[in-house]
Amino acid sequence: QKEVEQDPGPLSVPEGAIVSLNCTYSNSAFQYFMWYRQYSRKGPELLMYTYSSGNKEDGRFTAQVDKSSKYISLFIRDSQPSDSATYLCATRVGGSQGNLIFGKGTKLSVKP
Amino acid sequence: NAGVTQTPKFQVLKTGQSMTLQCAQDMNHEYMSWYRQDPGMGLRLIHYSVGAGITDQGEVPNGYNVSRSTTEDFPLRLLSAAPSQTSVYFCASSYRYGGGEAKLFFGSGTQLSVL
Repeated sequence: QKEVEQDPGPLSVPEGAIVSLNCTYSNSAFQYFMWYRQYSRKGPELLMYTYSSGNKEDGRFTAQVDKSSKYISLFIRDSQPSDSATYLCATRVGGSQGNLIFGKGTKLSVKP
Repeated sequence: NAGVTQTPKFQVLKTGQSMTLQCAQDMNHEYMSWYRQDPGMGLRLIHYSVGAGITDQGEVPNGYNVSRSTTEDFPLRLLSAAPSQTSVYFCASSYRYGGGEAKLFFGSGTQLSVL
């Protein structure tokens, strides 16, 4: 079992919809959780970062971590065609082990 | 600032050929890494470096070699290319290794095909 599981989709929604993207992880030592966004033929870029459990909001984006169920979520409100991209969750343990472990990514398409 | 620069953007190799993928960053980042991205497999770490002169293996290091003689550069060498190495390769850097927000800055990728 891979340490981070993510449904690859693809996911297609109409413009204005609320999008929910999810990952599960297996290692309870993971403390840092990120979402990266990757446009076609580009490198990933950091979208959201969360430490431990709880919610973090940034504009139309909300990242949520539930450590009790080892579940990571990204919500996109009022989705736009410009949100069409692949979204990758990532996590790592704390301390000096800095390498990120990525999910496989979910491809999202927002139709006008 | 150019950020993370990868060259070439595209490359076609024949089985058994060797080549070097170049990566340079101008942000004075301590940490640099190489990932490969394959359909259905996500991003997998090949090698990483926590500073000049220090490198270590990631999840899929076989068939690849790295060195870090300067803070700015982190080349990835394919010793004897195989079709299984057909992939998109990303170089990434971060201001430090471990602790806090591990914001990785990625290059734009190198698409490699091995025939």
